[in-house]
Amino acid sequence: NAGVIQTPRHKVTGKGQEATLWCEPISGHSAVFWYRQTIVQGLEFLTYFRNQAPIDDSGMPKERFSAQMPNQSHSTLKIQSTQPQDSAVYLCASSSGLGGRGQDTQYFGPGTRLLVL
Amino acid sequence: SQLAEENLWALSVHEGESVTVNCSYKTSITALQWYRQKSGEGPAQLILIRSNEREKRNGRLRATLDTSSQSSSLSITATRCEDTAVYFCATDDTGYQNFYFGKGTSLTVIP
Repeated sequence: NAGVIQTPRHKVTGKGQEATLWCEPISGHSAVFWYRQTIVQGLEFLTYFRNQAPIDDSGMPKERFSAQMPNQSHSTLKIQSTQPQDSAVYLCASSSGLGGRGQDTQYFGPGTRLLVL
Repeated sequence: SQLAEENLWALSVHEGESVTVNCSYKTSITALQWYRQKSGEGPAQLILIRSNEREKRNGRLRATLDTSSQSSSLSITATRCEDTAVYFCATDDTGYQNFYFGKGTSLTVIP
C-alpha cells in the first residue's frame, strides 16, 4: 500500500499561470479531500468527493479554483491565474467513506508545495 | 471562527519527559481525532475518540475527552526525539457534517 500519492511534490509558477495538482487516493477509498495549509491559516478544508461525486466545496475560493475526480484513482485541483497568496502546501487525503467525516480516518499524502512568484 | 483549537502554539520538553497537549472545541461532536504532522509529511491520525468515550490509549499516547467542558487532551509519556511534530485536534460538527482542524501545537523534544 503506497498510501496517498501527490504529484508534483514541489511546483513553482509565475503569477497568472495555471497550476494543476494531482492526487491518487488509496485504492478502495471512496472519499477524497483537499486541504490548503499555510502558517497563518493552518489547515483549511477546500473540497470533498465521495464516490467521485462532489459533496462539499464550501472551502473552495469561488474564483480560479476547481477540483475534479474523473475516476476513482485520481483527483485534480486546478488553480487558474495563480496569485502569490495561493502559495501554500496543498494536501490531499482519502478515507474509506464508511462513516461520517468525524468518525472516519483520513490518510494524508505528503502534499504539494506550491510557490507562486 | 475556529471550532477546534489547541491551547498552546508551541512547547518543548526533554526526551523522556511526559507532555500534554490540550484542545477545546465549540460544537456538539460525534468524535474527536488527534493527528500528528512531522516536517515534510502530511498529518497522520494518532487517536480517534468517540463522544461516548472518555479515554483512549495507543501505546505511549493517551487521549481524554470531556464533552461537558468541550475539551480533550493528548498525553505522551516517555517522549522521544521522533515525537517532535505539530499535533492537531480535529472534530466534526454533528449539525453540518463538517470537519475542522485546529491550528496545531508544535512540540519539540530536546535530546
